Amino acid sequence: KAGVTQTPRYLIKTRGQQVTLSCSPISGHRSVSWYQQTPGQGLQFLFEYFSETQRNKGNFPGRFSGRQFSNSRSEMNVSTLELGDSALYLCASSPAKESRGTGELFFGEGSRLTVL
Amino acid sequence: KNEVEQSPQNLTAQEGEFITINCSYSVGISALHWLQQHPGGGIVSLFMLSSGKKKHGRLIATINIQEKHSSLHITASHPRDSAVYICAVSPYNFGNEKLTFGTGTRLTIIP
Repeated sequence: KAGVTQTPRYLIKTRGQQVTLSCSPISGHRSVSWYQQTPGQGLQFLFEYFSETQRNKGNFPGRFSGRQFSNSRSEMNVSTLELGDSALYLCASSPAKESRGTGELFFGEGSRLTVL
Repeated sequence: KNEVEQSPQNLTAQEGEFITINCSYSVGISALHWLQQHPGGGIVSLFMLSSGKKKHGRLIATINIQEKHSSLHITASHPRDSAVYICAVSPYNFGNEKLTFGTGTRLTIIP
């Protein structure tokens, strides 16, 4: 069974640009969540999607957005990039059921974004 | 004060030693996750638990709901266990859509 795939793995952008990151979950998983990891703040929850619906969003500005498609693949977008957005962005999928949102997390390798 | 506190922040031990990493949290939870992150970034889920104890190979995770505390134990530690171990919790009545993470424990096992 293929794992969680994130693309691209590495990217460099300049301030003011926007970026789109992609996450393909494990087949059959309907829950996809995104996380930002920085040396200063550690791991922080960005948002979680279940069956194309965003169930929750972390404490991030509106420049951070995402969506989930009918095949459960998910994208996140960051507009008007700032230097502080440089981070490792991790995606995880989960077999969590709709009636109970908790499930084991399966992480991708991450997309490392550098903003210059 | 963070909702999730881990201790110690850093731990260095000799190969073969018994390792304990602690996680304390301040809210009622529906589940607690233990994660392992190796250099390079990849994260692996080790355990998800809401009560009692789980064991997988040399790893054991326990949780005490009343005391709001969990421990991760590694028996017969090996250099390949060197990694950052992260605890994360889902508040009561929530699931993965509301995870809060600890700051991690950096474990180094010396051969």
